[in-house]
Amino acid sequence: EAGVTQFPSHSVIEKGQTVTLRCDPISGHDNLYWYRRVMGKEIKFLLHFVKESKQDESGMPNNRFLAERTGGTYSTLKVQPAELEDSGVYFCASSQASKAFFGQGTRLTVV
Amino acid sequence: AQSVTQPDIHITVSEGASLELRCNYSYGATPYLFWYVQSPGQGLQLLLKYFSGDTLVQGIKGFEAEFKRSQSSFNLRKPSVHWSDAAEYFCAVGLPNFGNEKLTFGTGTRLTIIP
Repeated sequence: EAGVTQFPSHSVIEKGQTVTLRCDPISGHDNLYWYRRVMGKEIKFLLHFVKESKQDESGMPNNRFLAERTGGTYSTLKVQPAELEDSGVYFCASSQASKAFFGQGTRLTVV
Repeated sequence: AQSVTQPDIHITVSEGASLELRCNYSYGATPYLFWYVQSPGQGLQLLLKYFSGDTLVQGIKGFEAEFKRSQSSFNLRKPSVHWSDAAEYFCAVGLPNFGNEKLTFGTGTRLTIIP
């Protein structure tokens, strides 16, 4: 069974550009989560989808971040425009029956 | 709101030595407790979890953790580390009845193993 897959594994962009991160959850998992770890800090919850609906987006830092999960399958997290402080590792997790699995993360570097 | 403290940012131990990574949490009740490991280039892997019952829990790769309610702690231990244990370790708490969904993580402890 394939695990949670994230694309790309690493992205380097300039300040002001747009970047889109993708997460493919485990097939059949209704719940999908995004987390972020800024360098040296804790991993922080960003938001939670149940199928295609946003259940909780209390952790989204500001309106430059937009998450979507059309059709309740894969999810994208767009940062537009990117700022230097957005650099970090973005993790995705999917879960079913209260058991969550994490992807390998996307390392975003904004220069 | 719950919080997690991992007081050690970086720990270095010799291969074969014992290991203890500290974790303290703040929460109004007994939360669900987790330890995750991230090896270089890998995702977060669940080592072990505590929901209820026996306060000493066994995990994968020879790790164990002990929940101590009086100290609000959930320290991770291993009697003898291997070079492959070099990684970053994260303690996390979750809300009861939510499994390991919507977790609150600590800042992580980076473990270095020396020969």
